[in-house]
Formats: sequence, C-alpha cells, structure tokens
Amino acid sequence: AQSVAQPEDQVNVAEGNPLTVKCTYSVSGNPYLFWYVQYPNRGLQFLLKYITGDNLVKGSYGFEAEFNKSQTSFHLKKPSALVSDSALYFCAVRDDSGAGSYQLTFGKGTKLSVIP
Amino acid sequence: SQTIHQWPATLVQPVGSPLSLECTVEGTSNPNLYWYRQAAGRGLQLLFYSVGIGQISSEVPQNLSASRPQDRQFILSSKKLLLSDSGFYLCAWSVRTGGQSFGEAFFGQGTRLTVV
Repeated sequence: AQSVAQPEDQVNVAEGNPLTVKCTYSVSGNPYLFWYVQYPNRGLQFLLKYITGDNLVKGSYGFEAEFNKSQTSFHLKKPSALVSDSALYFCAVRDDSGAGSYQLTFGKGTKLSVIP
Repeated sequence: SQTIHQWPATLVQPVGSPLSLECTVEGTSNPNLYWYRQAAGRGLQLLFYSVGIGQISSEVPQNLSASRPQDRQFILSSKKLLLSDSGFYLCAWSVRTGGQSFGEAFFGQGTRLTVV
C-alpha cells in the first residue's frame, strides 16, 4: 500500500524568507510524486511533479521540490515566500506497481502561513 | 485545453434525502475519473475511481455510490444522506496511457455539501 506523510500541520514563515514544506512517502514500486496547493473553498491546483530524471523539479509560482530516494522524501521549497503563498499544501504519490498507479494518495496537508 | 466542471458549488440537504453530484470533463478522451472527499479542510479521502464507462472501484464502504454513464461524466449519488456525509467533495481526472496512469490529476472546484 502507498502512503504519504506530511509531518507538519502548519508552517509559519516570514515574507521574503525561504520556505520548506516536508513530505515523505512509502510505495511498493517506484514513486510518482506531486505537490498541490488549495485555497479556501477551492479545488486543488497542481504545482509540480516528479516522475523520473533530475531530482530537483521546478514548478509553478517559483516552487521547486527535491526528490530524495534514500530518505523517501519530496520536500517543497521556495527561495522567497510571498504572503499570497499562504494556503494549504498537499503532497501526493502514485505507485507504479499494479493497481496503485490509478490511485493518487494524498497527505493530510500542511497549512502555510506567510507573515508580512 | 482540458477543463473539468463540477456542480453544484454548494448544497444543503436534509438527512434522508437523495444526492446527485455531477462532474464532466472536456477536451480529453478516456480519462481516469475520481471522487474525493475532504473533511474539515484537511486530508483527501479517495471514494471512487473509474477507468472506463461503467467501471467503478470503491475505496471505502459507505453510504455513497458512483456511476460513469458516459466517457467524460462521473456522478456521485446517495439514496439517503447521513449527517456524516457532510464535507467537501472533489472530482478529478487524469490521463490514462497504455492501461495505466502516472500523471497528475486535475481537480474541479468542489462541492460543499452540508447535511442538516
């Protein structure tokens, strides 16, 4: 079975400072990893993904994430946080083995607050 | 380009009443379709997914059912709503290639269901 852990319910960061939102995963096969952002009462917006290749993935709005296979992690990062980045962030994983490829499993989400 | 439509945006229903939420996708063919529920603004729980017309997989036993009468239409239903069915329901789709799906999912704007 596949699973995702986001160990922090909330992350607070000052505007202009770098931000990191943590994610670890567990899969049987190879992972396909994703980050999404959700604003209040809205659907999830796709930010970036790791399928294969370079471990550092760049996505929308200046976000990037680093895939670390040995630590089974896929942390989301941004060099300089904006107040408008304040939202709920979800990490998700697909497992490339068997039926797991159809299922996109999400973490519980991390609320990011960027303080002016 | 592809778009996903989900309606209604909000719904207040009495306990014991029926439910029908509809989701349609435009601009793609043969997508994987998903229904998720998000409780208390946090983690997403996969309720159903479908890899083709009439093919529905249920992830959790519950008071809900899903149907896929057309390739790009996915419907979430209940015969009798319970208080515990309240939540934020999200429809999503992803590309299916070669019988599997490794890419990201794209989400609708969600339906806020309140059972009273």
